[in-house]
Amino acid sequence: DSGVTQTPKHLITATGQRVTLRCSPRSGDLSVYWYQQSLDQGLQFLIQYYNGEERAKGNILERFSAQQFPDLHSELNLSSLELGDSALYFCASSDLAGLGHNEQFFGPGTRLTVL
Amino acid sequence: AQSVTQLDSHVSVSEGTPVLLRCNYSSSYSPSLFWYVQHPNKGLQLLLKYTSAATLVKGINGFEAEFKKSETSFHLTKPSAHMSDAAEYFCVVSDREAGNMLTFGGGTRLMVKP
Repeated sequence: DSGVTQTPKHLITATGQRVTLRCSPRSGDLSVYWYQQSLDQGLQFLIQYYNGEERAKGNILERFSAQQFPDLHSELNLSSLELGDSALYFCASSDLAGLGHNEQFFGPGTRLTVL
Repeated sequence: AQSVTQLDSHVSVSEGTPVLLRCNYSSSYSPSLFWYVQHPNKGLQLLLKYTSAATLVKGINGFEAEFKKSETSFHLTKPSAHMSDAAEYFCVVSDREAGNMLTFGGGTRLMVKP
């Protein structure tokens, strides 16, 4: 158990809908990262937050957004969902701001299915 | 820009035989390199990491990897495969020029035959 929790484990929704995925980092970790894992794109970095501030952006669509709250949990919001958004979404945390060796601890993931 | 190539998408070995999962990387700075393992329906677990100290890195569950700068490689090995090693393995690079963002290879699925 990495200490990173994600809810829900599974989510099934329809095209055009909006969903929110939640992540709680390991105790004491200030950085939260979101990743998408799909069959065709592999594992891709979406976005990083550090202590409430956006730190780095990867291949995140404009329809997606994230935030990190004062208690350090994070939410990833996906809107106007398309079939291609079906994927496993991982959250990871680390205690670093992005400087240093950046060992990240991954949650179990949320499997999103868009019908 | 950094990138990672895992040379084999699937590797099959017999239980008790050696494992070799190959990884080549591209990085314009001194990279940190990682191997993560993903068991079915599970999250990713860190196996080992290279962070510019010793070039031979020992990880959990008997896995090792050697950083070879001249070959830009970071291959993962294990002397004797166990059935529980069957999983997907990801080679990952991170460097400061990319803001320490992690870039994942495409993954290698390791199958272990009894």
